[in-house]
Amino acid sequence: EVQLVESGGGLVRSGGSLRLSCAASGFIFSSHNMNWVRQAPGKGLEWVASISSSSSYIFYADSVRGRFTISRDNAKNSLFLQMSSLRADDTAVYYCARDMAQLLIDYWGQGTLVTVSS
Amino acid sequence: QPVLTQSSSASASLGSSVKLTCTLSSGHGGYTIAWHQQQPGKAPRYLMKLERSGSYNKGSGVPDRFSGSSSGADRYLTISNLQFEDEADYYCETWDSNTRVFGGGTKLTVL
Repeated sequence: EVQLVESGGGLVRSGGSLRLSCAASGFIFSSHNMNWVRQAPGKGLEWVASISSSSSYIFYADSVRGRFTISRDNAKNSLFLQMSSLRADDTAVYYCARDMAQLLIDYWGQGTLVTVSS
Repeated sequence: QPVLTQSSSASASLGSSVKLTCTLSSGHGGYTIAWHQQQPGKAPRYLMKLERSGSYNKGSGVPDRFSGSSSGADRYLTISNLQFEDEADYYCETWDSNTRVFGGGTKLTVL
């Protein structure tokens, strides 16, 4: 069974930093591109970042480029999101999500809440 | 990059059928999309991948009541024999030019 378990969320002050983790199991992690997607309270889904299976390709949404860094450790089946210069509008539930072969998401984690206080 | 347009809300009666629409912007009408369901207070769940041809592949455990179809730039999600647990937000998703795009979501109410 595919499982994606996020951790690392919490309350942080504006301008601060936070590192999210996603522990993957039930599939060959090193064979799949991975993503972070967020959802602000009462809002829709917003893509944050994607990383290819071997970390060769990394892409970011304009809203986070230069402030967030996505990375992975295939030996530990883990995905990370380092967030810095956090702003109030970064407040959201952050989901880890797996890509299927056609660059679309087919599995989601349960999410971790990040709250940025101003 | 493509824009995915969804109606903000829809409603249908228990036991009936409903057809939700995701429209791809001009120039992107051939794209494959994915449909996701998000029940209240829960994480999203992948429902299916839907191609321009109307061919679709559902995720593990998705009931037979869920089906997909396509017409031009429109991608449809049809839910038959609506159940109360189908009351949820439904999002479409695609990928292009190194960017992932989500539609704004349709909130489905089961009456």
